[in-house]
Amino acid sequence: AQSVTQPDIHITVSEGASLELRCNYSYGATPYLFWYVQSPGQGLQLLLKYFSGDTLVQGIKGFEAEFKRSQSSFNLRKPSVHWSDAAEYFCAVGALDNDMRFGAGTRLTVKP
Amino acid sequence: DTEVTQTPKHLVMGMTNKKSLKCEQHMGHRAMYWYKQKAKKPPELMFVYSYEKLSINESVPSRFSPECPNSSLLNLHLHALQPEDSALYLCASSQDSLAVTDTQYFGPGTRLTVL
Repeated sequence: AQSVTQPDIHITVSEGASLELRCNYSYGATPYLFWYVQSPGQGLQLLLKYFSGDTLVQGIKGFEAEFKRSQSSFNLRKPSVHWSDAAEYFCAVGALDNDMRFGAGTRLTVKP
Repeated sequence: DTEVTQTPKHLVMGMTNKKSLKCEQHMGHRAMYWYKQKAKKPPELMFVYSYEKLSINESVPSRFSPECPNSSLLNLHLHALQPEDSALYLCASSQDSLAVTDTQYFGPGTRLTVL
């Protein structure tokens, strides 16, 4: 079965600084990869997804992610973080039966 | 309209109670999901309904009983729950459960506390 590892439980960045959240996946076939964001007490919102094609994927709210098959990674980036980006971020990998597995999440704190 | 609504927002119940969680979407999606999310943990898939039929049951205890009365509604009936079932229950929907490429849209969740 597929699995996802997010090595960083908690990251703190200053407002305006760049951000990179790490995600490593394990899956035998072509992965379907997602990044979701969850604000406290809320549901999940899709930031971006990768299925095939261009390995650099653009998402909403200025986020992008790069798929690197050789490193089994799908890291999320943003050039300049805003205070409103503080939230929990989940990387997920999906299989053809739509069994989606989420990573443990990375909590982002933004310092003023 | 890309909204999935869930009611109630909060629910407190005793171990002998029977209650239901409700999820609704009007996007014409044919797949709906229930997830369970414990505090500081990722969501875990419980059930998937595709075209109103149960297609995935992730070995969830029978005290959780899903129901899909029509393509827009998904219920989760709760009976004889345990305190460890306290969690945020998330509902999601997507165009077609057979296509993992379809985006899953999540509701805000129901915060359940079992006393």
